[in-house]
Order: sequence, then structure tokens, then C-alpha cells
Amino acid sequence: GIQVEQSPPDLILQEGANSTLRCNFSDSVNNLQWFHQNPWGQLINLFYIPSGTKQNGRLSATTVATERYSLLYISSSQTTDSGVYFCAVVANYGQNFVFGPGTRLSVLP
Amino acid sequence: KAGVTQTPRYLIKTRGQQVTLSCSPISGHRSVSWYQQTPGQGLQFLFEYFSETQRNKGNFPGRFSGRQFSNSRSEMNVSTLELGDSALYLCASSWKTDSTGELFFGEGSRLTVL
Repeated sequence: GIQVEQSPPDLILQEGANSTLRCNFSDSVNNLQWFHQNPWGQLINLFYIPSGTKQNGRLSATTVATERYSLLYISSSQTTDSGVYFCAVVANYGQNFVFGPGTRLSVLP
Repeated sequence: KAGVTQTPRYLIKTRGQQVTLSCSPISGHRSVSWYQQTPGQGLQFLFEYFSETQRNKGNFPGRFSGRQFSNSRSEMNVSTLELGDSALYLCASSWKTDSTGELFFGEGSRLTVL
């Protein structure tokens, strides 16, 4: 099946810094989402972005489907941005989301 | 509009028991999926239901089962619990009939097996 990799696995930032999280996938996809898992375990939708670029406040995302990767940008990070960020994809031949291993972000005050 | 609701939020069981978890999707969403999250295996797909039919199933033993009701609410059941079944079980719903729709997750049910 499709393989999903995320980098870096861990990231520690000072408040106010910017960061880029990457998601690579091994096959063509028709669906891609970015999630933030809060401390209580809920997956919060950040972006539904099978292709193109989107922005939402301090966060933006870009998916280059032809090159099989997606990027999540976090600018002016805040301590509330801490948590685990997951990329999830659905392969063109697939029917369900496959999640990457996540990037654990810690933003220090 | 209410989000995806999962009950119970936390539960503790002993080995050999069974457990039933419930999920109410966002109103109007007919697709419900279940995922298991463990520290070792990450987030893994269990199964997906659409219009009361299991449409897709992950690689889990037959002890894991589910169903969907006519109002789109879904339940999953794990029989003969094992220690390794301790996990966060997440339910998600989608309004689209195919796999291109956006998934919305509930807060999860955290199961501990002693």
C-alpha cells in the first residue's frame, strides 16, 4: 500500500519562530489532509488539500501532487501550537486514509 | 452544527471482556470510519461504514467488528480483549460518498485493558 513519511519526527521551537513540516507519499493521491492532535487526543482539521495552496491565519499548506509531497508552514509559532501534526492521504487506488507517523512540535515560551 | 460525538470517552476493561464504543457522526454525514491509535503502531484504519454497509476494512482480527444504523450512528465492538487492544479509538465522519471527502474526527474513546 501507499507509504507516508513525515519529517522531522520532532521539532522544538522558541515562541515566535517559523517552521515547515513535510509529508512525502509514495503514490498518487486523490485526498490529503493535515491534522493537529491536541493533548486530549482529538484530531483537529487544519487543511483539506489534495492539491494547491491554502492559508488559514498563521498556517498555510501546499501540496504538489505530481511530486508527491505536501508542506505545512507555521509562522510566528505559539505555545498552543504544540502537539503532534499528522498528514493523511488516500491513494488513487485506495479507499481509506493512511496516516503518516506524525511530527511532534514543542513550542517553548 | 454538532461535531462527531464518541462515547464513552474513557473506559477500563480486563482481559477477556468485550467492549462496545459508539459514534454519532455530524448531521448529514453518512460515512463513518474507525481508527485505532497506539504509541507503537500509530493511527491505523479499522473499517468504514456507509449506508449501513461495511465498505472497507483494515487489517485487524475478527475480534474487531462494527455496524452502522439507519441514522448513520455507528458502533464498534472488540471481543475477548487483549492487553494490546489498549488504545485511543477514533471515529470520523464524511459527507461524501467516495474517498475524496474531508474527514472530521471525534474526541476519541480511550480504552485501557488490564
